[in-house]
Amino acid sequence: EVQLLESGGGLVQPGGSLRLSCAASGFTFRSYAMTWVRQAPGKGLEWVAVVSSNGGGRYYADSVKGRFTISRDNSKDMMYLQMDSLRTEDTAVYFCAKDVVAAPYYFDFWGQGTLVAVSS
Amino acid sequence: DIQLTQSPSSLSASVGDRVTITCRASLGIRHSLAWYQQKPGKAPNLLVYDASKLQTGVPSRFSGSGSGTDYTLTISSLQPEDFAIYYCQQYYNIPGTFGQGTRVEIK
Repeated sequence: EVQLLESGGGLVQPGGSLRLSCAASGFTFRSYAMTWVRQAPGKGLEWVAVVSSNGGGRYYADSVKGRFTISRDNSKDMMYLQMDSLRTEDTAVYFCAKDVVAAPYYFDFWGQGTLVAVSS
Repeated sequence: DIQLTQSPSSLSASVGDRVTITCRASLGIRHSLAWYQQKPGKAPNLLVYDASKLQTGVPSRFSGSGSGTDYTLTISSLQPEDFAIYYCQQYYNIPGTFGQGTRVEIK
């Protein structure tokens, strides 16, 4: 059974940093791209960043480019999102999602999300 | 970035109704479109991919169609468990943008 478990969310002040983690199990993690998608309270889904299966390809939404860094550790079946220079508009539930192939595509499994709140 | 516009933004329907949701892309995406269902407090769930292929385990009352820039999700006979928000997503280009969502409510 595929499982994705996000952690690391919490309350942080504007300008601060957080590191989100996504623990994967139930599939061959190193074979699939992985993506972060976020959802602000009461709003729709926003694609944030993707990392290819081998970690060599990383792409970001314009809204987070230069502030967020996506990475993965295939030896630990883990994906990460380092979030720096956080803004109030980054407040959202952050989902990790499994792509269906090694490169960015669509998502067949999602975690339950972790809430990031940016506020003073 | 490719923009996706869903219509309507919300709709009210009764159990048994046929429901159609449209997703229009700002340029042709060659069937690279997925549909997801999201219920309150839950993660999205994949329904359709490649514009018309039903994900394993999804009831056959759901179907997708379309080409070029215009795509449709149809629920042939709405069931109580189908009341949710539906999102389209394109994966033709990076970033894999989502539509703004369509809320399906009980009439």
